[in-house]
Amino acid sequence: GAGVSQSPSNKVTEKGKDVELRCDPISGHTALYWYRQSLGQGLEFLIYFQGNSAPDKSGLPSDRFSAERTGGSVSTLTIQRTQQEDSAVYLCASSSGTGGLKTQYFGPGTRLLVL
Amino acid sequence: KNQVEQSPQSLIILEGKNCTLQCNYTVSPFSNLRWYKQDTGRGPVSLTIMTFSENTKSNGRYTATLDADTKQSSLHITASQLSDSASYICVVSAKNDYKLSFGAGTTVTVRA
Repeated sequence: GAGVSQSPSNKVTEKGKDVELRCDPISGHTALYWYRQSLGQGLEFLIYFQGNSAPDKSGLPSDRFSAERTGGSVSTLTIQRTQQEDSAVYLCASSSGTGGLKTQYFGPGTRLLVL
Repeated sequence: KNQVEQSPQSLIILEGKNCTLQCNYTVSPFSNLRWYKQDTGRGPVSLTIMTFSENTKSNGRYTATLDADTKQSSLHITASQLSDSASYICVVSAKNDYKLSFGAGTTVTVRA
């Protein structure tokens, strides 16, 4: 079956503009995660959705970042008033449930460059 | 703070040779440890998973070891191939926590 897909694959924007990144998880996966991957650093947790529960937003770096998940499926990560330090690869992952033994399946990522 | 440290940061090996990557962690209480492979421009893909009671796990030419007492893991690549060129990420999970702790990765370059 289809894996996790993300769009766009690359995004170049000007400082101060808003961007929206999309994630389509594996069908039936209840858990969805967003991560940020900066050069030379480990993946940084941003936000977690699980079913109909309130999302864990504790990893969002500032109030310019927000995310939603509609209908328990597609998720959108929005960055408002982008800054150059927002440049990174944004990865989405989904899993069939919670817990460390549940494999997270990653999408290919969106490479964001803020000029 | 839960941390995962990997070494070396990068390495270059000739095709057909073996190499070993290291991972040290401070995650507690420990649940499991995974090694992920991330090809350039792709998302990470899980290679192996080990729980506390497992000290070795193989996936083809990849063999992972775990010493839960010293909190160390290694990933051994045997008879490397050009397709092994990638970043290898050590990921540790704590019990009752859906958040994962990621290492910065080791970039492996296999040359013909």
